[in-house]
Amino acid sequence: KNEVEQSPQNLTAQEGEFITINCSYSVGISALHWLQQHPGGGIVSLFMLSSGKKKHGRLIATINIQEKHSSLHITASHPRDSAVYICAVSTGNQFYFGTGTSLTVIP
Amino acid sequence: GAVVSQHPSWVICKSGTSVKIECRSLDFQATTMFWYRQFPKQSLMLMATSNEGSKATYEQGVEKDKFLINHASLTLSTLTVTSAHPEDSSFYICSARGGERPQYFGPGTRLLVL
Repeated sequence: KNEVEQSPQNLTAQEGEFITINCSYSVGISALHWLQQHPGGGIVSLFMLSSGKKKHGRLIATINIQEKHSSLHITASHPRDSAVYICAVSTGNQFYFGTGTSLTVIP
Repeated sequence: GAVVSQHPSWVICKSGTSVKIECRSLDFQATTMFWYRQFPKQSLMLMATSNEGSKATYEQGVEKDKFLINHASLTLSTLTVTSAHPEDSSFYICSARGGERPQYFGPGTRLLVL
């Protein structure tokens, strides 16, 4: 069993829809990261959080430490949001990565 | 199990020495490998992208003569931190991608330069 599980693995949405990607982890963490990768590119860090909630533009990330769960929300989705979204957790000594959620937003 | 390994997992070295970090894809051919760095209390930063058999593409602000990347085979990429200094102390992570497979990340290498 992977230390980090994401769902769904693939997601297709219509432009304008509200999107949620979930991440569950099984290890004690110092921080959780949400990363974005566009086709052919390296990853871009969206959020690093250890508690509560963060917001950047149309993106919102939340984390529940007790439940070991995080969600990434995209409001008013746009085709340019199409990418792979990866959840990663750091324990201080090691990183654990989910395999990503492939998001396609259709115009 | 892990599909991307890194070696060593941690290393301590003296200032001025060079350190080599290996990234291996264990059961697939990685046509592209990425190297990232994480500063304390910050998120990951992409350093460079390497495609097997060609020169690495470095991100702006990353010194290519300081961080030498070699991707000589489809299962191995190396990052050499040349003449390391204390400010190079960081967590270095590689990821690998090949064919239809998703990108997999290595567990990281912690470097401490004294």
